[in-house]
Amino acid sequence: TQLLEQSPQFLSIQEGENLTVYCNSSSVFSSLQWYRQEPGEGPVLLVTVVTGGEVKKLKRLTFQFGDARKDSSLHITAAQPGDTGLYLCAGVGGGGADGLTFGKGTHLIIQP
Amino acid sequence: NAGVTQTPKFRILKIGQSMTLQCTQDMNHNYMYWYRQDPGMGLKLIYYSVGAGITDKGEVPNGYNVSRSTTEDFPLRLELAAPSQTSVYFCASSRGTPIRQPQHFGDGTRLSIL
Repeated sequence: TQLLEQSPQFLSIQEGENLTVYCNSSSVFSSLQWYRQEPGEGPVLLVTVVTGGEVKKLKRLTFQFGDARKDSSLHITAAQPGDTGLYLCAGVGGGGADGLTFGKGTHLIIQP
Repeated sequence: NAGVTQTPKFRILKIGQSMTLQCTQDMNHNYMYWYRQDPGMGLKLIYYSVGAGITDKGEVPNGYNVSRSTTEDFPLRLELAAPSQTSVYFCASSRGTPIRQPQHFGDGTRLSIL
């Protein structure tokens, strides 16, 4: 069973601060996805990273896939209250078809 | 576009009862999935399907059954409900293998077994 460990589990910071969320595993993944989930809703995809060392930017969010494809990070610059939510990383194994392996998530609260 | 629609949104069952969670998608996606999300935990895969007539077990299939008679629908059946099945259930679909394709999630069914 492939496991994804996310840290921190909870994070509460002030508006305007920067933060980084980590997603680590001992397993290699074909790709890794980051989702954001709002209360009462399903997860919504933010980004997919496929190549080791890949960096993708989505406005103030920067996603990085580790060189060995075992870990990933999400960095948010100048966090805003609208960034509040549950951030989930999810890895795809070598087979691909059999769904995603999710981390437990990082609960992020941005205080105004 | 409706995307992935799950019904019901909430349900309370008594121990031993059975029910079917409905999931339908209007995006003509071949791949469909059922996950459960327990408090403080990530999502765990129950069953998945790569096309009509094809289903396979995920990480936590015990106590559940699925069928895929059409591309659009992927119902999840709970037989003999147990308190351990209290959870939020999410259905998802994707155009192809999740290596590159995003999974589109419904808004979930919140199920309590008492």
